[in-house]
Amino acid sequence: RKEVEQDPGPFNVPEGATVAFNCTYSNSASQSFFWYRQDCRKEPKLLMSVYSSGNEDGRFTAQLNRASQYISLLIRDSKLSDSATYLCVAQMYSSASKIIFGSGTRLSIRP
Amino acid sequence: GAGVSQSPSNKVTEKGKDVELRCDPISGHTALYWYRQSLGQGLEFLIYFQGNSAPDKSGLPSDRFSAERTGGSVSTLTIQRTQQEDSAVYLCASGGGRIQAGGYTFGSGTRLTVV
Repeated sequence: RKEVEQDPGPFNVPEGATVAFNCTYSNSASQSFFWYRQDCRKEPKLLMSVYSSGNEDGRFTAQLNRASQYISLLIRDSKLSDSATYLCVAQMYSSASKIIFGSGTRLSIRP
Repeated sequence: GAGVSQSPSNKVTEKGKDVELRCDPISGHTALYWYRQSLGQGLEFLIYFQGNSAPDKSGLPSDRFSAERTGGSVSTLTIQRTQQEDSAVYLCASGGGRIQAGGYTFGSGTRLTVV
């Protein structure tokens, strides 16, 4: 079982729609979580950190469910420019503290 | 510089040759990762450096791959006797500490093509 799992998609939704994806993590010791965005042929860029209480940044909302070991990303009023691959990341508090990336969820917004 | 710098941005090499890829992390960042990404695929972890700790080499695919980080700053990834399956984008990321609340910053990568 992968340490961080995501539905690869693709999710194909119309502009203006609300779309959500989940990411599950297997290690309950994971403590820090992030969402990254990767455009085609570009490097991943940090979209937002995920806090225990949930957090919002404009049209984007991230939530953490520790009991079920998943994080989610909600995008409201989607734009064409939101088309990208979204990667979730988990990090444990340990001597290694290595970050683990999911394989990504592809999102395509159609006009 | 302000970001993570990788060089070269593109490298074409003949099968069997050795290559060196360089990563210059953000100044002061103690954590440094190397990943590779084949077209249309996810990130494949290669190696992780954290401060003065022994690196986590668990992702290196074979003994042809090695990496070092001198002085806790610049890192070099070396691939010996390159094979066609080594063709990919090699990405480096750095972070400010053991637990990086602000996430990690990636360089723009080195696109390696083995012909």
